[in-house]
Amino acid sequence: DAMVIQNPRYQVTQFGKPVTLSCSQTLNHNVMYWYQQKSSQAPKLLFHYYDKDFNNEADTPDNFQSRRPNTSFCFLDIRSPGLGDTAMYLCATTLGGGYYGYTFGSGTRLTVV
Amino acid sequence: AQKVTQAQTEISVVEKEDVTLDCVYETRDTTYYLFWYKQPPSGELVFLIRRNSFDEQNEISGRYSWNFQKSTSSFNFTITASQVVDSAVYFCALSEPTGANSKLTFGKGITLSVRP
Repeated sequence: DAMVIQNPRYQVTQFGKPVTLSCSQTLNHNVMYWYQQKSSQAPKLLFHYYDKDFNNEADTPDNFQSRRPNTSFCFLDIRSPGLGDTAMYLCATTLGGGYYGYTFGSGTRLTVV
Repeated sequence: AQKVTQAQTEISVVEKEDVTLDCVYETRDTTYYLFWYKQPPSGELVFLIRRNSFDEQNEISGRYSWNFQKSTSSFNFTITASQVVDSAVYFCALSEPTGANSKLTFGKGITLSVRP
């Protein structure tokens, strides 16, 4: 019954080796978000898509990219992961904002070694 | 800009004690939504409540209750008769109601430890 699915649940990658995290949704929501949450910190928004429109947060490093090939899928690409990118990455969706509520995936815990 | 402040960072209580988690927010919007999420050690965010800015009625759900006071921009969360399973990090968050750039802004979270 999971409606926002993130794969993989755990990912270990080497320093500098590109990695892709996946998020899929069965809700047909317009908006998909990627949040980064480092240990003992709040989730921090990296970027989001409203339909096909990409919205980058001002302080998101260039190392982080995203793709949304269709309504259901959204990918987070980290081109050259550094040790500081070790974090939980959370995907969320909404039909259009707080009025509709947000649905989160279970997250991908990424470790860069 | 929107901002959520959770001044408490860590709270430790003994089981069956009541505990209140504070949340203060800032926004220029007249319409907005407030949320509380629970994050257990497994890491997923568990939705607890959503409240719109026009509804100041307090809400109770089992052992959980929420007190929304617009006059003080606060949305506090109380757990009555706490249990060990309540141990988690709790986030308060704020969102615009709708729009292409709607997003959740989180507070820093409060780590709650409930000891047996």
